[in-house]
Amino acid sequence: AQKITQTQPGMFVQEKEAVTLDCTYDTSDPSYGLFWYKQPSSGEMIFLIYQGSYDQQNATEGRYSLNFQKARKSANLVISASQLGDSAMYFCAMITSGSARQLTFGSGTQLTVLP
Amino acid sequence: DSGVTQTPKHLITATGQRVTLRCSPRSGDLSVYWYQQSLDQGLQFLIHYYNGEERAKGNILERFSAQQFPDLHSELNLSSLELGDSALYFCASSVVGQRDSGYTFGSGTRLTVV
Repeated sequence: AQKITQTQPGMFVQEKEAVTLDCTYDTSDPSYGLFWYKQPSSGEMIFLIYQGSYDQQNATEGRYSLNFQKARKSANLVISASQLGDSAMYFCAMITSGSARQLTFGSGTQLTVLP
Repeated sequence: DSGVTQTPKHLITATGQRVTLRCSPRSGDLSVYWYQQSLDQGLQFLIHYYNGEERAKGNILERFSAQQFPDLHSELNLSSLELGDSALYFCASSVVGQRDSGYTFGSGTRLTVV
């Protein structure tokens, strides 16, 4: 079975600073994908970034980067130069080749960016 | 606009009633997934349809059912509703084999059972 753990229920960051949101995962499947989604207060789920288990380099998408440490089974999201609009709930999620492409989500981290 | 359309956006109904949530996937996507987001259970996978056929079931109650029609839109039917069914229900679609964009989620249907 797959499991995603996000140990930070809430985080605060000052505007323009960087912040790291933690995510650890557990799976016995050697082939898997890790995702981060953003959920603003309006409720929609917005895809941010993806990392495949066989990818050699850490994924980056604009101000978002994924710090992928395979041996530690961690996939932390780094947001650089935080903006007020980054205040939202952030979810880490995983699919595996054996999971019929269903996403397993973590419990989320509520990020608040302070002016 | 993500391209995945869910209707209605909000739904308030009484216990014991039945409701239907509708999802139109992004153009070209054959797969539709339903997820439930509740305060106590978090985000949970309910069911997956691919090109009209059920592919996988997650933690979906027997009171819930879904189908995907020939035009690829999907409906999630919730019956004998209980207070605990109040949640945000998401539909997501994807192209099989698309590796790095995951799923495209709709904006969700917020169901309130009173």
